Amino acid sequence: ELKVEQNPLFLSMQEGKNYTIYCNYSTTSDRLYWYRQDPGKSLESLFVLLSNGAVKQEGRLMASLDTKARLSTLHITAAVHDLSATYFCAVDPTDMRFGAGTRLTVKP
Amino acid sequence: DAGVTQSPTHLIKTRGQHVTLRCSPISGHKSVSWYQQVLGQGPQFIFQYYEKEERGRGNFPDRFSARQFPNYSSELNVNALLLGDSALYLCASNRDGNSPLHFGNGTRLTVT
Repeated sequence: ELKVEQNPLFLSMQEGKNYTIYCNYSTTSDRLYWYRQDPGKSLESLFVLLSNGAVKQEGRLMASLDTKARLSTLHITAAVHDLSATYFCAVDPTDMRFGAGTRLTVKP
Repeated sequence: DAGVTQSPTHLIKTRGQHVTLRCSPISGHKSVSWYQQVLGQGPQFIFQYYEKEERGRGNFPDRFSARQFPNYSSELNVNALLLGDSALYLCASNRDGNSPLHFGNGTRLTVT
């Protein structure tokens, strides 16, 4: 059975700091997605990574994919309070399966 | 363009009852997926439908069923409700297998 594991599950950061969230998955897949969920809201797509070595950047967030290692990372640069949310990675071999999420809190 | 719409937004049912949740995908999207999200956890896959046919099913009991209509809207049905079925039920649509899911705002189901 496909497993998608994220770590850390909880992350408290100071504004201005950098950090990386990791996503490991257990089956072969060339497609990996990152989503964001604000409290009480639905999920919003952040990045779509479709091949080995893919890198996508949007503002202070950068996502990468290593299909051989079955690993994706979401790097946060110079965190700001507005980035506080829960971040999910998802893998889509046939249907999209999500990790447990990383709850990020950015403190001033 | 309208996003994915779900109804109702909130629902309270008692144990043993039946519930039907509805979803309209984004125009042009032929794939609809259903997820269950318990507070503090990631979405758990329930069903995927494409062109009115079931394409995938998650690890949920037979009390859960779904269908997709010719206009690509979808219904999720849950019979014999249990307290543990209390959750946020999310519907999502996408255009094809390489595109991300677009989620609706969900239906918050409470079973008492």
